Amino acid sequence: KNQVEQSPQSLIILEGKNCTLQCNYTVSPFSNLRWYKQDTGRGPVSLTIMTFSENTKSNGRYTATLDADTKQSSLHITASQLSDSASYICVVSPNFGNEKLTFGTGTRLTIIP
Amino acid sequence: EAGVVQSPRYKIIEKKQPVAFWCNPISGHNTLYWYLQNLGQGPELLIRYENEEAVDDSQLPKDRFSAERLKGVDSTLKIQPAELGDSAVYLCASSLASGETYEQYFGPGTRLTVT
Repeated sequence: KNQVEQSPQSLIILEGKNCTLQCNYTVSPFSNLRWYKQDTGRGPVSLTIMTFSENTKSNGRYTATLDADTKQSSLHITASQLSDSASYICVVSPNFGNEKLTFGTGTRLTIIP
Repeated sequence: EAGVVQSPRYKIIEKKQPVAFWCNPISGHNTLYWYLQNLGQGPELLIRYENEEAVDDSQLPKDRFSAERLKGVDSTLKIQPAELGDSAVYLCASSLASGETYEQYFGPGTRLTVT
């Protein structure tokens, strides 16, 4: 069964600090991996999309890495801000499209002043 | 450009009552998705439309759930009758197509509470 596991389940850090969220997947075949940010009461918003040939992609203070051999990805947030408080969801696709996405359960990140 | 629009944002109903959710995707997006998201979980696909055709409804509980996208634009998702376990957030998303790695854009969701 295709699965996406994220850790930690929740994380609290001080404003200005860095943090790293982890994603392990067993989806096969593998085509691309996405990280979404979901604010409370909102729908998910895409941060990065990486194909199997990419091993890093940045979006501002967010940097995602991918190791397709070990089936692991991480999302690094630099110089965290209060607005980074949200759930971060890892999503894996077995093909080029959006037909069979497998969503992780997310990491709940809280930034405190 | 307007994003994916959903209404209502919140709905509280008693069990066994019917309920309907509406979604208007981003203009020009052929593919529309309905997801269910339980608290603390990731979204789970209920149904995917390509234009007006439901191409994947394998996860839609068809005994009580139905959906339509009559003109290939906006869509409605209905539950009849609702059960306590249906309490969740119902997300609508759209993309240009589903056969390529096109970005999915999500609406804000409808939070359903069944009492």
